Amino acid sequence: KQEVTQIPAALSVPEGENLVLNCSFTDSAIYNLQWFRQDPGKGLTSLLLIQSSQREQTSGRLNASLDKSSGRSTLYIAASQPGDSATYLCAVKWMDSSYKLIFGSGTRLLVRP
Amino acid sequence: NAGVMQNPRHLVRRRGQEARLRCSPMKGHSHVYWYRQLPEEGLKFMVYLQKENIIDESGMPKERFSAEFPKEGPSILRIQQVVRGDSAAYFCASSPTGENTEAFFGQGTRLTVV
Repeated sequence: KQEVTQIPAALSVPEGENLVLNCSFTDSAIYNLQWFRQDPGKGLTSLLLIQSSQREQTSGRLNASLDKSSGRSTLYIAASQPGDSATYLCAVKWMDSSYKLIFGSGTRLLVRP
Repeated sequence: NAGVMQNPRHLVRRRGQEARLRCSPMKGHSHVYWYRQLPEEGLKFMVYLQKENIIDESGMPKERFSAEFPKEGPSILRIQQVVRGDSAAYFCASSPTGENTEAFFGQGTRLTVV
């Protein structure tokens, strides 16, 4: 069964810390992996898309890595800010899953001022 | 280029009524996906459509739920005879193609069944 797991479920850090969110997935035959941010009561904002042939992607203070062979991805947030507080979701598109994204349950991040 | 547009943003229905949720994909996108998010839970895939075709409906409940994406106009997710358990946020996403492209999500429709 194709599953996505995110650890930890919740994280609270003081402002300015660098932090890492983890995502693991079963079955390495993927098209891509996408990280999203969701604010309470809002929709999903795409942060980074990593194709299966890529090792990492960067956007500003965010860096996402992909190790397909071990079924892992990490989202690194540098110099965290209170505005980074949100739920971060990892989603995987497998090659035999009709192009749909399968989501993890998310990591709820709180950055304390 | 406007993003994925969903309407209404909020919808209240009494038990037994019908709910119709609309999704207009981004311009140039022909692939639409519907997801449901129950309170305090993750996003669960419901259905994947291309223009005039249902490609994967493996996440759709067997009864009362249907979806379409006509040649012209938005994609519609229809829930007949709603029950309290249907209360959730329903999200639509679109992408230009299937394999390696980025999916973009709308702001969702929050359905409340009273």
